[in-house]
Amino acid sequence: AQSVTQLGSHVSVSEGALVLLRCNYSSSVPPYLFWYVQYPNQGLQLLLKYTSAATLVKGINGFEAEFKKSETSFHLTKPSAHMSDAAEYFCAVSLEGTSYDKVIFGPGTSLSVIP
Amino acid sequence: DSGVTQTPKHLITATGQRVTLRCSPRSGDLSVYWYQQSLDQGLQFLIQYYNGEERAKGNILERFSAQQFPDLHSELNLSSLELGDSALYFCASSVLSGGPGELFFGEGSRLTVL
Repeated sequence: AQSVTQLGSHVSVSEGALVLLRCNYSSSVPPYLFWYVQYPNQGLQLLLKYTSAATLVKGINGFEAEFKKSETSFHLTKPSAHMSDAAEYFCAVSLEGTSYDKVIFGPGTSLSVIP
Repeated sequence: DSGVTQTPKHLITATGQRVTLRCSPRSGDLSVYWYQQSLDQGLQFLIQYYNGEERAKGNILERFSAQQFPDLHSELNLSSLELGDSALYFCASSVLSGGPGELFFGEGSRLTVL
C-alpha cells in the first residue's frame, strides 16, 4: 500500500534562508508525486508534480523538488524563503495510471517564515 | 482563484442535524472529489463523481451521501451530525477521472457541530 510521510509537522526558517520540506513515500510501483500548498483560509493549490519525466521538477513561486528513487524521497526546496511562503505544504502520491481516489496526502508541514 | 466554488463557507449547527454542502466545479471539469480535513485525521478522501456517476468511495461514513447533478455541480449531505464531524470539507475538480493531472480545490466549507 502507498503511504506518505512528511518529516516535521512544523518548520521555521528565516526570510532569505533555504527552505527544505521533507517527503518520503512508499510505493511498490513507480508513483506520481505532488506537492500542494494551502495558504490560510484557502484551498490546496498544486505547486509541482513528478510524472516519471525529469527527476528535478520545477514548480511555481521558485519551488522545486527532486525525485530520488533510491531514497524514496521527493523533498521540496526553495533557495530563499519569502514571507509569503508561510503556509501548509502537503506531499501526495498516487499510482501511475490510477484515478484520483488513490491520491494519498501526507499529514502536512506548516512552514513559518521569520522576518 | 481555482474556479471551484463551495457554499456555504461557514456553517454552525447542532448534533443530530443535517446539512448540505454544495460545490460547483471548474468549467469543463467532469470529476468532482470531496475531502474532509481535520486536525487529527488530516486530509481524507471521501468520494468521487465523474460525469454524474459515482466513481470511487473512500472513508465516507454511511451518514454521509453525495451526488453529482446533470449540470455537474455536486452536493455532499451530512446527516445525524456528531461533534466529530466538525471539519473543513473541500471539493476538488479535474478534467478527467484519472491522473496525473491537477486537482483544483475550492476554498472549503467549515462545519462546526455544537
